[in-house]
Parts: sequence; C-alpha cells; structure tokens
Amino acid sequence: ILNVEQSPQSLHVQEGDSTNFTCSFPSSNFYALHWYRWETAKSPEALFVMTLNGDEKKKGRISATLNTKEGYSYLYIKGSQPEDSATYLCAFSGGEGKLIFGQGTTLQVKP
Amino acid sequence: GAVVSQHPSWVICKSGTSVKIECRSLDFQATTMFWYRQFPKQSLMLMATSNEGSKATYEQGVEKDKFLINHASLTLSTLTVTSAHPEDSSFYICSARDPREGADTQYFGPGTRLTVL
Repeated sequence: ILNVEQSPQSLHVQEGDSTNFTCSFPSSNFYALHWYRWETAKSPEALFVMTLNGDEKKKGRISATLNTKEGYSYLYIKGSQPEDSATYLCAFSGGEGKLIFGQGTTLQVKP
Repeated sequence: GAVVSQHPSWVICKSGTSVKIECRSLDFQATTMFWYRQFPKQSLMLMATSNEGSKATYEQGVEKDKFLINHASLTLSTLTVTSAHPEDSSFYICSARDPREGADTQYFGPGTRLTVL
C-alpha cells in the first residue's frame, strides 16, 4: 500500500513568519509530486508539479523542493500572510494516472 | 489553470433515496475524470476513475452498484449515490485531467457535502 505522509498536521504562525512543511512519499516508481492549496469552500488549486530529483519551484513567496531518492518534498512560505491560510496537500503519482494524497497540512496565519 | 465545476455544493437527503452529483470541465475536454471521498481528518481517497465512453474503474472496496458513475461526454461525469444511508454521509470531490498537460495533473471541483438523514 502506497503511503503519503504530511507533517505537521496543522500549524499556527504569526503574520510575517516564514514556515515550511514536509511531504514524504514512496521513493520507488516515482513519476511526479504535486502540491495543492485548498481554501475552505473552494476547489483545490494546483501550486506545483515536480518531476525531477532536485527540482525547485517558486511562485511568489511560496517555493518547493523535491528529493526523489529519499522520498520527500518541502514546501516553504516566506513572510506568511493571512491569505496564505489554507490546507496544503501533496499528492504522489507513480505514472499510472492516479494521485495518492497526503492528509494535508492546515496553516493558520494570525494577523 | 483549467476550471472544474461541481454541483450541488451540498445536499441533504433521506435514507433510501438516491443523489446525483455532477462534475463538469468548463474550459477543456476531459477524457478522464476522478471521484474522491474524504472522511473527517483524512486524505482524499480515490473512489473511481471515469473514462469518457467506457465503464468506470473502481478502487478496491468501493461498491460499484452503490456509487454509479457515468461519463457520457468529454465535459461531464456524474456520480449517483444509490439508496443512500447515513454511513454514506461524506465529502465527495471530483477532478479532471487536462490531456494537454502531463505529469498526471488533475484539476478539482469544489466538492459536495452529502448528509444522509
């Protein structure tokens, strides 16, 4: 059974703090790793898709890294803002067309 | 990014009735759509993969007679929960793959909260 783990489960930070969270996934049969941002009552929004070991992707204040050999990805948020409050999901793809999701990290940024 | 809509956003029904949920890709044609279920504090769990014009492929443990999936066009897939019972109460969310993009990228609807009384 393929397992994708995210930590921490939840996180509370002050506005302006930088933060990061982890996604662990199987290191075998890797095809792609996806990060999604999910705000309450909205659709999960695709943030990054990463396919190569050592990949680093950036979108504004949010960035992600990928290590396929050891099976982990980090998501970083620099200078968190209240609008960054959301649940961040990672999903592993083994190339069969399916995504296997972690439980998510719920981030709350206090003004 | 591509847009996927899902209706209704919430539904309350009586035990024994059937409920249909629609998933539409608004600005692209989706040959493949997916249906997920999420229990409280758990991951999105894939229920089935829906391919246009063919039968859906169900994940292990998902009753295909309980959760009927139809993907009659390139922009619409429906999930019907038949003879719903309180244990079917959950959050259901669909996604669609844009064939123009690689890496198994999926675009999601906003989900449907089903409550069965």
